[in-house]
Amino acid sequence: QMQLQESGPGLVEPSETLSLTCTVSGGSINGYFWSWVRQPPGKGLEWIGYIHDSGSTNYNSSLKSRVTISVDTSKNQFSLNLKSVTTADTAVYYCAREIQLRVWGQGMLVIVSS
Amino acid sequence: QSVLTQPPSASATPGQRVTISCSGSSSSIGNNHVYWYQQLPGTAPKLVIYRNNQRPSGVPDRFSGSKSGTSASLAISGLRSEDEADYYCASWDDSLSGWVFGGGTKLTVL
Repeated sequence: QMQLQESGPGLVEPSETLSLTCTVSGGSINGYFWSWVRQPPGKGLEWIGYIHDSGSTNYNSSLKSRVTISVDTSKNQFSLNLKSVTTADTAVYYCAREIQLRVWGQGMLVIVSS
Repeated sequence: QSVLTQPPSASATPGQRVTISCSGSSSSIGNNHVYWYQQLPGTAPKLVIYRNNQRPSGVPDRFSGSKSGTSASLAISGLRSEDEADYYCASWDDSLSGWVFGGGTKLTVL
């Protein structure tokens, strides 16, 4: 059964870049789209974007200028970079399989604070 | 302000049937499939309905989905205490060229 696990710093300073990696186990990253979603504390879900294993991407227009999603098929991983963060970017970040979010990681809380 | 509109809360007693609505537009629900996610307290969301009315393997048949025009609904019958969770609808939006969510509905089992 395929599993996803987010990893990265849990604390990021304002104006810096948030970087997270999602490691896929129990299956190949090839042949799927891979997504990122976030959830600010006590709030709803927000779609960030997705990438195909071929490298093609699509991002939420409200975050597009700051987001980059990349994939490393040799490591069975894909990554999220969000630059110029502010406290409004504090959230639990989830990685998920497919555009339709059929399988989710457990999530990782990232706090933006000095 | 979410693109898809859900009631913030719903409640029912064990054994009852509850319905959660999700309203969108012609560019979202009106032209695309609807998906529903269950988020138990402190956990990641889980897909419970895909393509409007399909259940993933392992999801009880107490969960059902439907869609009509630009609206959709999730129904849970034979309500159990373990169904108490936040429920989110989602769909592709052709105008935004992106995935959109409802604001979520907190289901309380009284």
